[in-house]
Amino acid sequence: GAVVSQHPSWVICKSGTSVKIECRSLDFQATTMFWYRQFPKQSLMLMATSNEGSKATYEQGVEKDKFLINHASLTLSTLTVTSAHPEDSSFYICSARLLRRAAKETQYFGPGTRLLVL
Amino acid sequence: DQQVKQNSPSLSVQEGRISILNCDYTNSMFDYFLWYKKYPAEGPTFLISISSIKDKNEDGRFTVFLNKSAKHLSLHIVPSQPGDSAVYFCAASAGTNAGKSTFGDGTTLTVKP
Repeated sequence: GAVVSQHPSWVICKSGTSVKIECRSLDFQATTMFWYRQFPKQSLMLMATSNEGSKATYEQGVEKDKFLINHASLTLSTLTVTSAHPEDSSFYICSARLLRRAAKETQYFGPGTRLLVL
Repeated sequence: DQQVKQNSPSLSVQEGRISILNCDYTNSMFDYFLWYKKYPAEGPTFLISISSIKDKNEDGRFTVFLNKSAKHLSLHIVPSQPGDSAVYFCAASAGTNAGKSTFGDGTTLTVKP
């Protein structure tokens, strides 16, 4: 089946630093990837839609200058949390939609990245 | 305003019995519904989906029922197995863009041996 990886799985950083999270589709091409954030015991909240070769589309309330998204290729999207602060600590999950299965309404999720900002 | 609600944060059932997870939605534009299963520290995995043109979809032990008039859907797992213990998310989308699904808060299912 389709596999999506994320790196790193865990990151601890000091307040004020920037953190980059990678999302890769390993065995398929994804023109569209999605970035979610999940707080403890809460739902997944869509942050932005990442389209290959174009600017990401951010959901309302998500600061695009804070969460930089780059989708440089059909298999890689990156999320950079700039000047991270403790309130940015969360579980970040990416997902990818299969190109050949665009008509099939599923997406494949990465394993997530736990970010802890001290 | 939460458009997709899973009112039961947790559910505990005995192995071999039926598990019924419920989900309600408010947005009448939603026409595609999905269930995901999530283990701790992992991303969700797709389980089963249903289009609004259907009222039932079955895949092995998993069946999803949709009641459009009540804006309610449910996931039935029969028989339940200990390996089914996980968090189950209900998600809904409008149109074909499943990526813009709206998720519920999840229900933690525990299946006791």
